Amino acid sequence: AQSVTQPDIHITVSEGASLELRCNYSYGATPYLFWYVQSPGQGLQLLLKYFSGDTLVQGIKGFEAEFKRSQSSFNLRKPSVHWSDAAEYFCAVGAGGGNKLTFGTGTQLKVEL
Amino acid sequence: GAVVSQHPSWVICKSGTSVKIECRSLDFQATTMFWYRQFPKQSLMLMATSNEGSKATYEQGVEKDKFLINHASLTLSTLTVTSAHPEDSSFYICSARDRGYSETQYFGPGTRLLVL
Repeated sequence: AQSVTQPDIHITVSEGASLELRCNYSYGATPYLFWYVQSPGQGLQLLLKYFSGDTLVQGIKGFEAEFKRSQSSFNLRKPSVHWSDAAEYFCAVGAGGGNKLTFGTGTQLKVEL
Repeated sequence: GAVVSQHPSWVICKSGTSVKIECRSLDFQATTMFWYRQFPKQSLMLMATSNEGSKATYEQGVEKDKFLINHASLTLSTLTVTSAHPEDSSFYICSARDRGYSETQYFGPGTRLLVL
């Protein structure tokens, strides 16, 4: 069965600083990987996804993520964080065909002005 | 595109009553919809997978008689919490998988249920 680990429960960065959120996955085959963002009391918005091909994927809101098979990682990055990026970020791995998603425990991002 | 709505956005009910939550894909057809439950400051836990025109598949530990799921059309799935109790209070989120792009799930805004 697949699993996802997000080792950082909380992260605080200053506005304008760079950001990296860590995600490690466990899955026997080639994974489908996703990053979602959740604002308080809201549903999840898809930031980006990786299925195959170029291991550096670009998403919305200036986010990118890099798939590293050797490290079983799919870390999310943003070169310059904006105050509006404060939210909960979830990494998820999908089984073949995207039938089920397994989510990490999430990373709460706080942005200091 | 790929918008999913949920109704209601929040509901308060008395213990013992039933509550129905609707999940709609607004601009795409969804052969599969998923229902998740999220406790405060926790991750999402998949409750069941709903396929249009067939019975839902429930995750281990989820009571299918308490959480009734119906997926009657390609754009609508409903979750009914029957005989609700305070421990059923939670944030319920649905997602829908676009029939044309089957690997990606699009999420609704969630429904907050409070059972008194």
